[in-house]
Amino acid sequence: DIQVTQSPSSLSASVGDRVTITCRASQSITNYLNWYQQKPGKAPKLLIYAASILQSGVPSRFSGSGSGTDFTLTISSLQPEDFATYYCQQSYSTPRTFGGGTKVEIK
Amino acid sequence: QVQLQESGPGLVKPSETLSLTCTVSGDSISSHYWSWIRQPPGKGLEWIGYIYYSGSTNYNPSLKSRVTISVDTSKNQFSLKLSSVTAADTAVYYCARDTYTYGQNWFDPWGQGTLVTVSS
Repeated sequence: DIQVTQSPSSLSASVGDRVTITCRASQSITNYLNWYQQKPGKAPKLLIYAASILQSGVPSRFSGSGSGTDFTLTISSLQPEDFATYYCQQSYSTPRTFGGGTKVEIK
Repeated sequence: QVQLQESGPGLVKPSETLSLTCTVSGDSISSHYWSWIRQPPGKGLEWIGYIYYSGSTNYNPSLKSRVTISVDTSKNQFSLKLSSVTAADTAVYYCARDTYTYGQNWFDPWGQGTLVTVSS
């Protein structure tokens, strides 16, 4: 199985801050990496697929980059509605695997 | 707008079989792959497996011996059965469309999720 490790597991930030979350795969997954946002009591929501392609309807302050084993999700200016848990997920091979999540909290 | 809705018992006894159904609206189940994903309370996400409308399946090896995913194209539904459950199977269970495009794939959209508790 491909292991996917996210860091940090949590972070505190203020509205307007630039936030970066990283995801590292245990082997090269080229660009087969997706990012999801999950709010409490809700299902995950797709933000970015294929490492850098913004899902339709997702604000442009979200961006993704990386290839191979190292990836990042960046929120350029954190908004109140962005406080949530973020997960990366590799789709290079089965079993599909998720990172452990990064909880973004209000500072 | 594509919508997925999970249904099934919220309480299952240990050693019994968990059974859930996902009803798809706004899209034909014959057009995509469809996955089950679960999330234990306060923990991360685990992919259980997927099914194609033809009946072809792929399961997570960690659960493969206990999992069966099936599809009913006439009802636009797919289902999950997980046998010999224990308390460790307590989780919110999500169904999701496993979208394949240009060689890439991702989960979107998701159902709202249903909590299944394993307890006597």
